[in-house]
Amino acid sequence: AQTVTQSQPEMSVQEAETVTLSCTYDTSESDYYLFWYKQPPSRQMILVIRQEAYKQQNATENRFSVNFQKAAKSFSLKISDSQLGDAAMYFCAYRPYALIQGAQKLVFGQGTRLTINP
Amino acid sequence: EPEVTQTPSHQVTQMGQEVILRCVPISNHLYFYWYRQILGQKVEFLVSFYNNEISEKSEIFDDQFSVERPDGSNFTLKIRSTKLEDSAMYFCASRRDRNYGYTFGSGTRLTVV
Repeated sequence: AQTVTQSQPEMSVQEAETVTLSCTYDTSESDYYLFWYKQPPSRQMILVIRQEAYKQQNATENRFSVNFQKAAKSFSLKISDSQLGDAAMYFCAYRPYALIQGAQKLVFGQGTRLTINP
Repeated sequence: EPEVTQTPSHQVTQMGQEVILRCVPISNHLYFYWYRQILGQKVEFLVSFYNNEISEKSEIFDDQFSVERPDGSNFTLKIRSTKLEDSAMYFCASRRDRNYGYTFGSGTRLTVV
């Protein structure tokens, strides 16, 4: 079974600084997707960024970028120029590229609570 | 931007009562999901639904739970005879097809007392 591990329960960073959140996963699949979701105090799950395993290029979305190391099964999220609105719980998630219809559930890590210090 | 809508946002129920959590997925989406997050814990998969039937379910999704898409727009999760440990945030999500990401609703906070 696939597992996702986030080893940092909490992280904090000064506003405008850069922070990196770690995520490792375990799978025997070669094709899959990885995601970072943000959960602010409102509890809504918001997609931050996604990475296809077959793509070697790391995904970027404005201030958010990932460092995807497929061989090491590592998928870290870098937030540049941190803003107060980035404060939230961040979840790493894995989804297989399954051919079976519907068999594409997300497997989440435990989450990292990010605090932004003004 | 299209949204997944969940109602109610918060529901309090007595232990042993039945609850129905409602979701309206995005209209052209084909895959539907329920996830659960007990306070302070990770988000857990409950069930996926495609082509009017359950396509996968977790061990959490026992006979106490059922899902339905009664009218082509709503997607409901029914919990029969609720227990205290069912208290959690329940998220509905939908996806257009296999190559698209999930869109989550804002969740229903269920409190069983």
